[in-house]
Amino acid sequence: EVQLVESGGNLVQPGGSLRLSCEASGFMFTGYGMNWVRQTPGKGLEWVSYIGAGSPTIYYGDSVKGRFTISRDNARNSMYLHMNDLRAEDTAVYYCARDLGGSADSFDVWGQGTLVTVSS
Amino acid sequence: SNELTQPSSVSVSPGQTATITCSGDKLGDRYTSWYQQRPGQSPVLVIYQDNKRPSGIPERFSGSNSGNTATLTISGTQVMDEADYYCQAWYTGTVFGGGTKLSVL
Repeated sequence: EVQLVESGGNLVQPGGSLRLSCEASGFMFTGYGMNWVRQTPGKGLEWVSYIGAGSPTIYYGDSVKGRFTISRDNARNSMYLHMNDLRAEDTAVYYCARDLGGSADSFDVWGQGTLVTVSS
Repeated sequence: SNELTQPSSVSVSPGQTATITCSGDKLGDRYTSWYQQRPGQSPVLVIYQDNKRPSGIPERFSGSNSGNTATLTISGTQVMDEADYYCQAWYTGTVFGGGTKLSVL
């Protein structure tokens, strides 16, 4: 079964840091680009970042550029999101999503999400 | 600007055709995807590359894209189709529309 499982979400104070993980199974992880997408409770979707399959191609959304870092470990079938200088507006459910075509414009597999809460 | 605009809500009776639009600057020049999200669940891709359906998505879901508007059409809408729907396209980064709540009643 194709599956993505996020972990690492937690309550963190403003200015703090957190690392999210996404573990993939059931497909050839090295063959796909991957994304992070977040959703504020009760609100819409916001794309956060993309990392290419086997190359260093990386993109970030404007709201996280310079604060978040995406990475992947193909040997562990895992992707990560390192989040620094967290703000209240970063509070959201964070999903990892598989990129269907390598163009970061269609995501065909999603995890269940992990909740990040930034509050003092 | 790199924004995608959707109506906040659409209502349709069971068995009728639901149409959800997504507007953006020269949207027809890029591929658009659509996602369905039921309450408490993760999004599900229902249309990609404007009009392609992933495996397992019913034929009643279809899409089109031209000019500044992409359209998701659900023919013979069922109660189970009630959900939030989001469009998506790549500009200088992936952009999602604000979402449309589809009510089937």
